[in-house]
Amino acid sequence: GQQLNQSPQSMFIQEGEDVSMNCTSSSIFNTWLWYKQDPGEGPVLLIALYKAGELTSNGRLTAQFGITRKDSFLNISASIPSDVGIYFCAGRNYGGSQGNLIFGKGTKLSVKP
Amino acid sequence: NAGVTQTPKFRVLKTGQSMTLLCAQDMNHEYMYWYRQDPGMGLRLIHYSVGEGTTAKGEVPDGYNVSRLKKQNFLLGLESAAPSQTSVYFCASKGEGAKTGELFFGEGSRLTVL
Repeated sequence: GQQLNQSPQSMFIQEGEDVSMNCTSSSIFNTWLWYKQDPGEGPVLLIALYKAGELTSNGRLTAQFGITRKDSFLNISASIPSDVGIYFCAGRNYGGSQGNLIFGKGTKLSVKP
Repeated sequence: NAGVTQTPKFRVLKTGQSMTLLCAQDMNHEYMYWYRQDPGMGLRLIHYSVGEGTTAKGEVPDGYNVSRLKKQNFLLGLESAAPSQTSVYFCASKGEGAKTGELFFGEGSRLTVL
């Protein structure tokens, strides 16, 4: 089946640093999504992107829908300890059914105070 | 203001036992989903439902059955549990007018099959 390549798998950063992670796909997507999962919780939607080239911000988070429609990145500026968690990208391709949302394997973020 | 509630939160089964996970949402959402999450893996869709009385297979449906007899509830059943079904299970729901990805997830149910 389709897969999303999400990188890096994990990151250890100092508080205050900026973070960048990305996802790539072998096929074209019409939707890119970024979720965050806190320990012991379910994922929560951070940013949704529906148009190629779209750049969207949510506070210190910024995500872009790649112009090729095969990639997306998420940046976090000036990281803080509560940014710790697992970040998942997810995408849906053209013609996908309601169930056809594909998730990346996640980027585990650790922040050192 | 419960959102999506999953029960039980934790369960330990022996191989061959059966069990049912219950997902309840109080947001009048049409769509409901069951995912499993394994270490180092993303979420994989098991089954989903686009409305009361309907179900459909996802990416990894084998070994699971589901039912959506009431709009607010989505049940996931394991008829004969296997160690490979040890995982964390997440239920999610989405409103009919919501955009793709606007899913509300429950807190997860951790299942261990010995």
